[in-house]
Amino acid sequence: NAGVTQTPKFRILKIGQSMTLQCTQDMNHNYMYWYRQDPGMGLKLIYYSVGAGITDKGEVPNGYNVSRSTTEDFPLRLELAAPSQTSVYFCASTTASTRSGQYFGPGTRLTVL
Amino acid sequence: DAKTTQPTSMDCAEGRAANLPCNHSTISGNEYVYWYRQIHSQGPQYIIHGLKNNETNEMASLIITEDRKSSTLILPHATLRDTAVYYCIVRVEGGSEKLVFGKGMKLTVNP
Repeated sequence: NAGVTQTPKFRILKIGQSMTLQCTQDMNHNYMYWYRQDPGMGLKLIYYSVGAGITDKGEVPNGYNVSRSTTEDFPLRLELAAPSQTSVYFCASTTASTRSGQYFGPGTRLTVL
Repeated sequence: DAKTTQPTSMDCAEGRAANLPCNHSTISGNEYVYWYRQIHSQGPQYIIHGLKNNETNEMASLIITEDRKSSTLILPHATLRDTAVYYCIVRVEGGSEKLVFGKGMKLTVNP
């Protein structure tokens, strides 16, 4: 199993540009999450999904959108990038029956200039 | 979910046991204690979780006080690779399985 994979690893955006952060898991997990982590801080939940076709807002959803058309994929969309969205973005997945907590991807480091 | 309090940082000598404390005095009866760690720049890694009994796995042991107001994560023989930020999180099991991360505690294992 590859686990949770994220692309790209790094990206620099200009203010106002858009992009999609990709997240894929091959563990057949029904729950997936997007977090962001600013320097020196803990992770904050952006959006989450409990299954294909179901998404919900987390703590900091403004400026982001998500979709979940398949169990495997949970892309995060930034429509109009702002400097405040400079952060490291982590995707994670789990299932209610696992006793191994959430599995995290390696992260995407995004800079908005 | 209940709030947790951890020291900002802690040092430990390589090969010694690292005892990482966490206070969760407002924990409810159905809330579990979870521990994750984040090694520099990587995604967080699940370590262990428990409700009221002590738990042990291949990575660590979790000791929860009888009143459940605090807990200790024990790394029995710390190595340099255990240097990381450790997060203690309290949450209700089931539902959306969401996690709320605080700032965590930086553990530095010294040679």
